[in-house]
Amino acid sequence: DSGVTQTPKHLITATGQRVTLRCSPRSGDLSVYWYQQSLDQGLQFLIQYYNGEERAKGNILERFSAQQFPDLHSELNLSSLELGDSALYFCASSSRRSSGGWSDTQYFGPGTRLTVL
Amino acid sequence: EDKVVQSPLSLVVHEGDTVTLNCSYEVTNFRSLLWYKQEKKAPTFLFMLTSSGIEKKSGRLSSILDKKELFSILNITATQTGDSAIYLCAVEAGWTDKLIFGTGTRLQVFP
Repeated sequence: DSGVTQTPKHLITATGQRVTLRCSPRSGDLSVYWYQQSLDQGLQFLIQYYNGEERAKGNILERFSAQQFPDLHSELNLSSLELGDSALYFCASSSRRSSGGWSDTQYFGPGTRLTVL
Repeated sequence: EDKVVQSPLSLVVHEGDTVTLNCSYEVTNFRSLLWYKQEKKAPTFLFMLTSSGIEKKSGRLSSILDKKELFSILNITATQTGDSAIYLCAVEAGWTDKLIFGTGTRLQVFP
């Protein structure tokens, strides 16, 4: 158990809908990362938050947004869902204090499997 | 564009065999290379490598990095069925904290 929690475990929804995925980082970790894993793309970085502020963006669609709250939990919002959004969505956390500095291990949560029908 | 390539894509062995998994990378401003094991869901951390030539070891698993030739290997000796998983290599590069993942090597160990 990495200490990172994600809810829900599994979401099934229809095209055009909107969902929210939730992540709680390990105790003391300030950085939260979101990744998408689909069968044909592997693990792809979406976005990072550090202590409530957006720190880095990857190939995140405009229909997707995220935020990190004062208690450091994070939510990933996916809207106008399409069939191609079906994937595993992982959250990871680390105790990294500054970008571009020392490296730190990212610990992954169990993931949320999103199925769009 | 930053790239991480793993080989082989898939490996099937018998218990007791030794396997070597490869990871090569082409990135700007390399910072570290990480290995993860993914069984059913969450990738679990195995190793982080930042320096060339220093072997990291944990039980039957070991890994080493070559920053001159831009690759890393993950060795598993005396494989067991519990080693069956997808092994992911990821590189941290540039000035963001994101990880760039390879597509993984699927290892299947049969009794």
